[in-house]
This record gives sequence, C-alpha cells and structure tokens, in this order.
Amino acid sequence: QKEVEQDPGPLSVPEGAIVSLNCTYSNSAFQYFMWYRQYSRKGPELLMYTYSSGNKEDGRFTAQVDKSSKYISLFIRDSQPSDSATYLCATAGGSYIPTFGRGTSLIVHP
Amino acid sequence: KAGVTQTPRYLIKTRGQQVTLSCSPISGHRSVSWYQQTPGQGLQFLFEYFSETQRNKGNFPGRFSGRQFSNSRSEMNVSTLELGDSALYLCASSQGNTGELFFGEGSRLTVL
Repeated sequence: QKEVEQDPGPLSVPEGAIVSLNCTYSNSAFQYFMWYRQYSRKGPELLMYTYSSGNKEDGRFTAQVDKSSKYISLFIRDSQPSDSATYLCATAGGSYIPTFGRGTSLIVHP
Repeated sequence: KAGVTQTPRYLIKTRGQQVTLSCSPISGHRSVSWYQQTPGQGLQFLFEYFSETQRNKGNFPGRFSGRQFSNSRSEMNVSTLELGDSALYLCASSQGNTGELFFGEGSRLTVL
C-alpha cells in the first residue's frame, strides 16, 4: 500500500462546477499537508499548505484535513478551464520530506 | 524573487552513459531536494541536501548521487544510465523546516 493514495482520474467537469479532489494517507505521524498543481510539461506549483487538521481557504481553493480518518481534500469553487491540470497531494512528517500521491488529472471544459 | 532554475531542460543519452543535472534554488533557501517523476511511479524522492550535507535519502540505487555547494546550488549525477532512468527530474528548494517545496521546471531525460 502506498503511503499516499490518490485517484488518477481523469476528472472531467463543466466550467463553473465545484471540484472535489481527495487523498488518503497511512502514516499517522504526517502533520504537514500540501496540494500542488502541475500543468503539462511544467514543474509542480504549491497551491495550499496546512499544518495539522482543519480547513484553509485561499480564493476559490479550500484545503481540508481530517487526521482522524487520514483524509485530505481540495475543493475548487467556480472551476475554470485554466484549472485543468494534474493536482498532487502531499504529506510530510518530522523529516519535512513530502510524500506525494500520483496526482489526479482534472479537465474543466467550457 | 527568482524561482528554482534547472539545467538542462531536455537531454538525450544512451545506455551506459552518465549525466549531471544542475539546480539553483531560490535565494535564501538552504534545502534542495531532488525527485524523479514518471507516469508509472509518480514523484519519487531521491535525496535532500541541507547546508551542503545529505540530510535525507530515498530508495534509489547508488548510481544516483548528488551534492550541494556552499552557495546552495546542487547537482545530481546518474551513472551507467539505464532505459528505466528516462524521466522528469525535478529539483525543489525550501527553507528546510516546513515541507513547503518550490519546484523548478525539471530536466527531462531520455535514455536510448
């Protein structure tokens, strides 16, 4: 079992939809949680960073961490075609070295 | 503030050759990590350097090595290349104490 599991998709939604992306992780020592966005032929870009449980909002993006169920989510409101990318979740513990999920491919069509 | 710079962006090698990739981190960042990204395995951690010392290491063979210089710039080397080494090699820099990584564009290596 991989330490971080993520459905690869693709997830296809119409423009304006609310998108929900999810990951599960196995190591209860993880306390740092991140979401990265990666466009084709580009490096991953840090979108959201949270420490421990709870919610964090940044514009149209909301990250949610539930440590009791080892479940992390990213919500995108009013999705745009420019949001089409691969979204990678990542978690880290005391070593600060993130372990990544394999990424979910999101397609937002006009 | 300049981002993470990786060179070269693309390269083609043949089996048995060796390759050196370079990474310049964000100014002020002391930690540099290297990842290998393939469609089948996703992002796999190679190693991390902090203040010129290898602080963490992933599960890759000894053919993969790296180093960090006093100005925080880093290089990674892959010797005796195999077809399976074809991948996007990503460098990321950070402050070293939060897990927030800032990635470069990557070096895409093709081994023929």
